[in-house]
Amino acid sequence: DAGVIQSPRHEVTEMGQEVTLRCKPISGHDYLFWYRQTMMRGLELLIYFNNNVPIDDSGMPEDRFSAKMPNASFSTLKIQPSEPRDSAVYFCASSPGGARNTEAFFGQGTRLTVV
Amino acid sequence: SQKIEQNSEALNIQEGKTATLTCNYTNYSPAYLQWYRQDPGRGPVFLLLIRENEKEKRKERLKVTFDTTLKQSLFHITASQPADSATYLCALSKTGTGRRALTFGSGTRLQVQP
Repeated sequence: DAGVIQSPRHEVTEMGQEVTLRCKPISGHDYLFWYRQTMMRGLELLIYFNNNVPIDDSGMPEDRFSAKMPNASFSTLKIQPSEPRDSAVYFCASSPGGARNTEAFFGQGTRLTVV
Repeated sequence: SQKIEQNSEALNIQEGKTATLTCNYTNYSPAYLQWYRQDPGRGPVFLLLIRENEKEKRKERLKVTFDTTLKQSLFHITASQPADSATYLCALSKTGTGRRALTFGSGTRLQVQP
């Protein structure tokens, strides 16, 4: 398996524009997580899904952020409109189902810069 | 409020020595605790998991301890090598609903000098 695949790897956009980040989890994994990492705040959980259903979106900073998982092999995180403070590295991770296999497998991340 | 603390200062050690990293937490009752390694420009990579009813876990040169009374985990790398240089993150599960979600500490950067 190629692991968790994120695209794009880098994104530079202007303030006010819509940004869409994409993620393909590892096949067969039941859980998908979106994290954001900054120097100031570290790695923060934004939202996670179980079997394509959002379970906890309490980390989504505000209504400008939305995430979808239309099927088991694809998820998007959208920011509309984007702001400079959204600049960060966004990671997608997936995890197998079951009570014992709880480790998360991370993608390479998308470095977002909003100017 | 819930808090996870890792030493924010970098840890510098000589090759061959044992590196010990600390993770302290407050206002958590985690079902398990995990350690990850992160290299610059990469996503975190899972290393070890230890459950609330376990005291110690080992994997090759790595050892993790978990003291739920002290609310602390120690992560040891024995016979350290320059290739072990990276940032190490501890992560705790929530309890109850949403326990699959991990909350990460800010990480400790380890530098192993040859």
